[in-house]
Amino acid sequence: DAGVIQSPRHEVTEMGQEVTLRCKPISGHDYLFWYRQTMMRGLELLIYFNNNVPIDDSGMPEDRFSAKMPNASFSTLKIQPSEPRDSAVYFCASSPGSGYTFGSGTRLTVV
Amino acid sequence: TQLLEQSPQFLSIQEGENLTVYCNSSSVFSSLQWYRQEPGEGPVLLVTVVTGGEVKKLKRLTFQFGDARKDSSLHITAAQPGDTGLYLCAGAASGTYKYIFGTGTRLKVLA
Repeated sequence: DAGVIQSPRHEVTEMGQEVTLRCKPISGHDYLFWYRQTMMRGLELLIYFNNNVPIDDSGMPEDRFSAKMPNASFSTLKIQPSEPRDSAVYFCASSPGSGYTFGSGTRLTVV
Repeated sequence: TQLLEQSPQFLSIQEGENLTVYCNSSSVFSSLQWYRQEPGEGPVLLVTVVTGGEVKKLKRLTFQFGDARKDSSLHITAAQPGDTGLYLCAGAASGTYKYIFGTGTRLKVLA
């Protein structure tokens, strides 16, 4: 298995633009998580899905953030409009029920 | 809100030395995990502990879960430069697969 695949690896965008981050989880993993990592706040859970259904989105910072999982093999995290304070590394992780496998992350820079 | 505090925040040691990293919380966790993260990559799972007082060994790494399931420690014997990285603990409350990550310990082992 290729592991959890995230794209793009790096994204630089201007403030106000829409940004879409993509994730392909490991096949057979029922859980998918989106985390954000910054030096100041560490790893923060944004949202997680079980069997494609959002279970807990209490970590989503505001309405500018949205996440979808249309099928078991794909999820997106969208920021619209983006702001400089959204700059961070965004990780997707999948799990069969215990123990996460993380992707390599998307480094987002909003200028 | 569950918080996991790790100490020390930074640690720089010589190859061959021993070290211990601590993970503390006021909350009780049903399970606790340790991850290591290298620059430009996502965290990689090292171990999961689920029973109070449990001790697990992984080569030169020894993990312990506190009796009250509120704290954990990671001990590395004879550290090597390959142990360099960010060590993260993560805890999940009973009945959930949602892991909250600790503040992290950044370890550097000098050759």
